[in-house]
Order: sequence, then structure tokens, then C-alpha cells
Amino acid sequence: DVKVTQSSRYLVKRTGEKVFLECVQDMDHENMFWYRQDPGLGLRLIYFSYDVKMKEKGDIPEGYSVSREKKERFSLILESASTNQTSMYLCASSISGQGKEKLFFGSGTQLSVL
Amino acid sequence: QKEVEQNSGPLSVPEGAIASLNCTYSDRGSQSFFWYRQYSGKSPELIMSIYSNGDKEDGRFTAQLNKASQYVSLLIRDSQPSDSATYLCAVSRPGSARQLTFGSGTQLTVLP
Repeated sequence: DVKVTQSSRYLVKRTGEKVFLECVQDMDHENMFWYRQDPGLGLRLIYFSYDVKMKEKGDIPEGYSVSREKKERFSLILESASTNQTSMYLCASSISGQGKEKLFFGSGTQLSVL
Repeated sequence: QKEVEQNSGPLSVPEGAIASLNCTYSDRGSQSFFWYRQYSGKSPELIMSIYSNGDKEDGRFTAQLNKASQYVSLLIRDSQPSDSATYLCAVSRPGSARQLTFGSGTQLTVLP
């Protein structure tokens, strides 16, 4: 089975801190994604990557950046955490193939910014 | 207008009944449609995908797609308490099948 591992299940940070969320997948998937999930808003795409060192902005990239130095690892960076970034962050990966996209999600990181 | 809309619910059905979950989408160019199930405190998991008009059945689950009406639905027959979860509709973006737009989800409770 595909495994997508997120480094922390719960994280508490202070306003202004730099925050790193790590995600590792073990199935050699090309595509990796970062979503945030908020009540009533569903999943919103922050950033995604189709290849090593490649990144593209999603729908809500402001205040975030990403890094993909290795195929299996996709990091989300909050440059200066703010309270409105308190959320559940979900990493996902998928293999390429037109019409065959199945997202495999990690277990999520619940981030609280105080 | 939201790109993918779902009734937020909550939706309650008795055990053994049919649960009907609905989703509409705004972009006619979307080609791929998915239903994800998310148990409380867990991450979403794919349960159904559908790409062409009509019905697709998988066990107790049936996905229905009507591209002309921009409508996709999920029917759960013989609902079980274990089906209680939030169901997320996801639609691929035109020109970028790897990117999905999610609805906000419908919370389903199956009452024993």
C-alpha cells in the first residue's frame, strides 16, 4: 500500500515563527500536493509539484512556500506563521496518467498558531 | 458561485436505507469526477471515480454523472452505521487533470 507520511500530527507555533511541514511518500509518485482543510471550506490547494525541483501555485499560495529537492519529499513552509494559518494540513501524492488520478493522503497535521 | 457545491447536511438516514449525496460543478470542461470518504479525524480516501455519463456501480455504491446538467451523485444502498462519514466530491480541472477541486463535503449519519 502507498504510504504518505506527515512528520507531525499536531503542531503548536507562535505568530511570526517559520514553520516546516514535511511529507514523504514511498511509492515513487510524480505528483505531490499540499491542501489545507477548514470547516465549511473543504480542501483547498496550496501548492503542488509534478517533478523534483518543480512547484506550482494552487488556489491559496499566499504566505506559503514549498520545496521538493527529492522525488519522495515535499515540504510546506510557512515563512511567518499567522493565526489565520491555523488549520489541518493534508499532503497527498498521486501517479500520473490521464483520468487515473487517485490521491493518497497523509494523516494530516493539525497546526495551531497562537 | 462555488466551483463544486455540495449540500453540507448533515444528512441522516436509517440503517438499510439508500443515502443520496449530490454535487454540482461549474466548469463544463471538467472530465474526471471522484467521491472521497473522510471519517472523523482521518484523511480522505477515494471510494468512487467516474469519467463518462451514466452510472457506475461498485458494491453498495453507485456514482451517477450527468455532464449536461453538471451534476454528479453518489448513492449508498443498504446504508450501514459504518458509512457515517463526510463525503467529499472532487472534480478535475480542465486542462489539468491532476488538479482536483473539492466540495466542502456532506456529513452523513446512518442511524442504527
